[in-house]
Amino acid sequence: QVQLQQSGPGLVKPSQTLSLTCAISGDSVSSNSAAWNWIRQSPSRGLEWLGRTYYRSKWYNDYTLSVKSRISINPDTPKNQFSLQLNSVTPDDTAVYYCARARGSGSPYYFDYWGQGTLVTVSS
Amino acid sequence: QSVLTQPPSVSGAPGQRVTISCTGSRANLGAGYDVHWYHQLPGTAPKLLMYGNSNRPSGVPDRFSGSKSGTSASLAITGLQPEDEGDYYCQSYDSSMSAWVFGGGTKLTVL
Repeated sequence: QVQLQQSGPGLVKPSQTLSLTCAISGDSVSSNSAAWNWIRQSPSRGLEWLGRTYYRSKWYNDYTLSVKSRISINPDTPKNQFSLQLNSVTPDDTAVYYCARARGSGSPYYFDYWGQGTLVTVSS
Repeated sequence: QSVLTQPPSVSGAPGQRVTISCTGSRANLGAGYDVHWYHQLPGTAPKLLMYGNSNRPSGVPDRFSGSKSGTSASLAITGLQPEDEGDYYCQSYDSSMSAWVFGGGTKLTVL
């Protein structure tokens, strides 16, 4: 059974960096048959896929265009986890952030396991 | 405005049948990308309910069924039960955005 455990601060000041970690059990961040994603949910944006990291003989990343200049998703293989960093945050980045696993890297692509979610508020 | 359009709410009495629609475009559902469905209860993460248009993960009862045709998809729930309440989301890939996208969600109320 795959489990994803999220950690990180719930309050971030405007212009600073949002950092969250997702610890994986029951699978490997280096798996050749999974991809590791960050998704956020807010009343104004709904559910929004932010990006992913995955390993297929080398590491790959993909990010959604709306945050591409500010986002970084990185694997941590010794700790079997992956992280999200979102720079220069504004109140519009306030949301519940989820990490999620997807099987494969192409189509069909769906999220079969999710973390518990972290409410991140951007406020001074 | 979500890329995939869902009705904001649907309702039905226990035992009845309801359907939730998900309408896209030629950049997502119409391009042949699969649709997937999630169920979310308040304060919890979405849970995979249907994948690859019409496949149920282990543990999802056969009261739930999915279909897709052209730029639209639908989720049907028969024999409604109180525990079916919550928000339902469709998800697919959008080639114009190069991103995986979700519908705006449909709130199901069991009367």
